[in-house]
Amino acid sequence: EIVVTQSPATLSVSPGERATLSCRASQSVSSKLAWYQQKPGQSPRLLIYAASTRATGIPARFSGSGSGTEFTLTISSLQSEDFAIYYCQQYNDWPPWTFGQGTKVEIK
Amino acid sequence: EVQLVESGGGLVQAGESVRLSCAASGFTFSTYWMHWVRQAPGKGLLWVSRIDKDGTVTTSVDSVKGRFTISRDNAKNTVYLQMNSLRVEDTGVYYCVREAPDAGAWFLDVWGKGTTVTVSS
Repeated sequence: EIVVTQSPATLSVSPGERATLSCRASQSVSSKLAWYQQKPGQSPRLLIYAASTRATGIPARFSGSGSGTEFTLTISSLQSEDFAIYYCQQYNDWPPWTFGQGTKVEIK
Repeated sequence: EVQLVESGGGLVQAGESVRLSCAASGFTFSTYWMHWVRQAPGKGLLWVSRIDKDGTVTTSVDSVKGRFTISRDNAKNTVYLQMNSLRVEDTGVYYCVREAPDAGAWFLDVWGKGTTVTVSS
C-alpha cells in the first residue's frame, strides 16, 4: 500500500498571501495524484488531477506540480473562500486508493 | 446537473447491518465506475470500496472485507453499500463518489454530500 503524507498539518496564512502545501508518496505514483478541497460541513471537491491539471471551474490561482514522490499545491493569493482542508490522493497503485491526512489552511 | 444523493444512514448498534444507497443523476450512470469513501468524525478520508460499470468487479479496503458489499442497479441509477457486522470504528460520513471516465484516470471527480452512520456500542 502506498502511504501518502502531507505537510504541514496546519498552515496559517494571511489573505492575499501565497500558500504552499506538500504531499509525499512512499513510492512513485508517476503523475497520478489528485488534490481535493473540503470546506467545513461540505463534501470534498476535486481541484487538481494528474498532478497539475485543474478540474473544471477551478480558479487559476490553484496550481499543482510534481511527479514521482513529491508534489506541491500552490494557492497564489489566498481568498477568504480558500480557507479549508486540502487532501492529496494517489491513484497510481490501487487498491487501495490512499489519501494524505490533510492540510488545514487557516487564517493568520 | 451531475448529482449524487446518498441515503440510508442513521444510528445503529454494533453488530447490526445497514444499507446505504446513492442515487445518481445528470450523467450516464452505467458508464462510470463508482466508489464509497468514509470520513470518521474530525478525521481524514478513507477509501472503502469500488465497483465497475457492470457491477461484476468490486474491490474493498481490507478493514471492511467480508463485512461490506458494494453493488449497483444501473436500471435505477443507484449504487449501494451493504454494511454488516458494524463496528464502532465504522462510524462516519459515507460519501458516494464517481470515478473519472477516461482510461487510466482513476481519480474521483464528483462527490455526493454524504450520509452519516453512527455505530454505538
